[in-house]
Amino acid sequence: EVVMTQSPATLSVSPGERATLSCRASQSVSINLAWYQQKPGQAPTLLIYGASTRATGIPARFSGSGSGTEFTLTISSLQSEDFAVYYCQQYNNWPPLTFGGGTKVEIK
Amino acid sequence: EVQLLESGGGLVQPGGSLRLSCVASGFTFSNYVMRWVRQAPGKGLEWVSAIDGGARSISYADSVKGRFTVSRDNSKNTLYLQMNSLSADDTAIYYCAKDLNGGNGHWGQGTLVTVSS
Repeated sequence: EVVMTQSPATLSVSPGERATLSCRASQSVSINLAWYQQKPGQAPTLLIYGASTRATGIPARFSGSGSGTEFTLTISSLQSEDFAVYYCQQYNNWPPLTFGGGTKVEIK
Repeated sequence: EVQLLESGGGLVQPGGSLRLSCVASGFTFSNYVMRWVRQAPGKGLEWVSAIDGGARSISYADSVKGRFTVSRDNSKNTLYLQMNSLSADDTAIYYCAKDLNGGNGHWGQGTLVTVSS
């Protein structure tokens, strides 16, 4: 099973600042990695797939990078609606599909 | 517009059973892998099961293997999850999700399953 580790667990950021979230895989997943955003009381929303391709309707301030075992989600200028929990998920070696534990982005 | 609507959740006693449904619309249901993902209260996301468009390829998380059965009825655009031998560890919101290039591109609103005596 591929273990996905996200860091930090919580990220405190001021509106307008850049946020950088990390995701590490226990073995190479190539670029078969997705990022999701989840707001309280809502289902997750797909942000990024293929490590760097934005899903339809996702603003350009969200960008993904990386390959192999190290991945990054960057939010270039945080808006109020971006404060949420973010999850990475690999789909290279499955089953099982595996998610990271999440990073909570909170207002500083 | 893609829509996924889950139902069938509720309160069930340990050892009991439930069947969840997910009705899909806005896309050609039979063309897509569909998945179930759950989220225990205050916890992260856990993949549960997946089924391809023709129901030929099916997979389960180890935590549910032998207890849960995923199926689909393409004529009704509906995905199912039969859950047996439920325990408190199965308490969660259960989401159905549509594949998008390997990721879960669309999610339903979820249905809450509570296992308690």
